[in-house]
Amino acid sequence: GQNIDQPTEMTATEGAIVQINCTYQTSGFNGLFWYQQHAGEAPTFLSYNVLDGLEEKGRFSSFLSRSKGYSYLLLKELQMKDSASYLCAVRDLSGGYNKLIFGAGTRLAVHP
Amino acid sequence: NAGVMQNPRHLVRRRGQEARLRCSPMKGHSHVYWYRQLPEEGLKFMVYLQKENIIDESGMPKERFSAEFPKEGPSILRIQQVVRGDSAAYFCASSPGYTDTQYFGPGTRLTVL
Repeated sequence: GQNIDQPTEMTATEGAIVQINCTYQTSGFNGLFWYQQHAGEAPTFLSYNVLDGLEEKGRFSSFLSRSKGYSYLLLKELQMKDSASYLCAVRDLSGGYNKLIFGAGTRLAVHP
Repeated sequence: NAGVMQNPRHLVRRRGQEARLRCSPMKGHSHVYWYRQLPEEGLKFMVYLQKENIIDESGMPKERFSAEFPKEGPSILRIQQVVRGDSAAYFCASSPGYTDTQYFGPGTRLTVL
């Protein structure tokens, strides 16, 4: 089956660092995405990992371990505007076509 | 380059009516995906289309729901005889190819009274 788990809620302080974890089980893994979604808005693409290791993009970094079925999104120098939901999504090829399977999202609240 | 466009942004229907949601993909994108998001939940895949073809509709309810992506014009998600449980945000995403990153539209928020 397919299963993606991430924490429901997290809180952090402005200027700090926060790590949002995601574990997954899928039979046709073909890459992992992180999206940011502000309340009432569309998800926006943050990062993509298909090989093991760390991908850094400004204040945001994403890590993948395929053998462990594990990824994390690291947010540095947190700003108030980073308060949003962060969606982990796995691209699955088991059905013959690439399909994105989303976790339920992690709601991050950044406090002053 | 305009992003993915969806309209209407908000749609109110009474039980039993039909809802039509439209999605225009980004320029150069021929792959369209529809997702549903219930309040406080993640996005659930519904259907994947290319021009004039439904590729994967495994996430779409078998009854009342249909989708199309004609040769000309936007992709349409149609919900017939809506019920209260259909109230949700419906997002469309597009990509240039089926292995590429999907980019999302602003969504249509459907409320069924």
